[in-house]
Amino acid sequence: GQNIDQPTEMTATEGAIVQINCTYQTSGFNGLFWYQQHAGEAPTFLSYNVLDGLEEKGRFSSFLSRSKGYSYLLLKELQMKDSASYLCAVRDDYKLSFGAGTTVTVRA
Amino acid sequence: DTGVSQDPRHKITKRGQNVTFRCDPISEHNRLYWYRQTLGQGPEFLTYFQNEAQLEKSRLLSDRFSAERPKGSFSTLEIQRTEQGDSAMYLCASSPIHSYEQYFGPGTRLTVT
Repeated sequence: GQNIDQPTEMTATEGAIVQINCTYQTSGFNGLFWYQQHAGEAPTFLSYNVLDGLEEKGRFSSFLSRSKGYSYLLLKELQMKDSASYLCAVRDDYKLSFGAGTTVTVRA
Repeated sequence: DTGVSQDPRHKITKRGQNVTFRCDPISEHNRLYWYRQTLGQGPEFLTYFQNEAQLEKSRLLSDRFSAERPKGSFSTLEIQRTEQGDSAMYLCASSPIHSYEQYFGPGTRLTVT
C-alpha cells in the first residue's frame, strides 16, 4: 500500500520561510513530486526529485532522501499568493499517489 | 499551448442518474490519467491510458465507472447510477511519453443530490 504523510496546516508571515515535510512508505518509488493547489483549482507542478539532494527553483526548493523516505518543500520569501495547499506525490511507474496536502496560510 | 481542458466544470445530478465527463489533453500528450479528489484530500488515481489503451484501473473504479479514449485523443469518464459518495472533483491529467510531469485540467466538480 501507499502511506504518504504531511502536516495538515501551517501558518507563516509574509517574507518568511516555511518548510513542509513529507514522509512516505510506498510499494514502489520512481520519484517524488510537489504540486501547488489553490482552492477550487487544478494542481500545478512545482518540483520533481528522483535522486537524493536539493533541487532549487527560484523561491522554491525541494529535498529528497530516499533511504529515509523523506522529502521537504522549502518556500522562501513568502508572498500572500503562496497561500494554497501543497501536495506531496510519489510516482510509482506512471501513476502518482498523493498525500492529503498541507494548507499554508500566509499572514501579512 | 491550451492546456488540459475538462467539460463540464460543474455537474449537479440526482442519485441514480448517469453522468459523463470529457477531458481534452494537451495536444500530442499520449498519456492520460483520471483522478478523484474529495475535500481535504489529495487526488486519488482512478485510471490511466497510453494512447487509446487503458492500461490500469484502480480498485476505486467500481463497475459503475467506465472510461474510454477511443482515438487516443480526448477521453470520457462515465458514472452510471450515481450515488452520493460519488460527489467529488474529477481531475484529468496528461503527460508526454518522455516526461513524468503530469499536467492537470481544472476538474469537473460533481454533486450528487
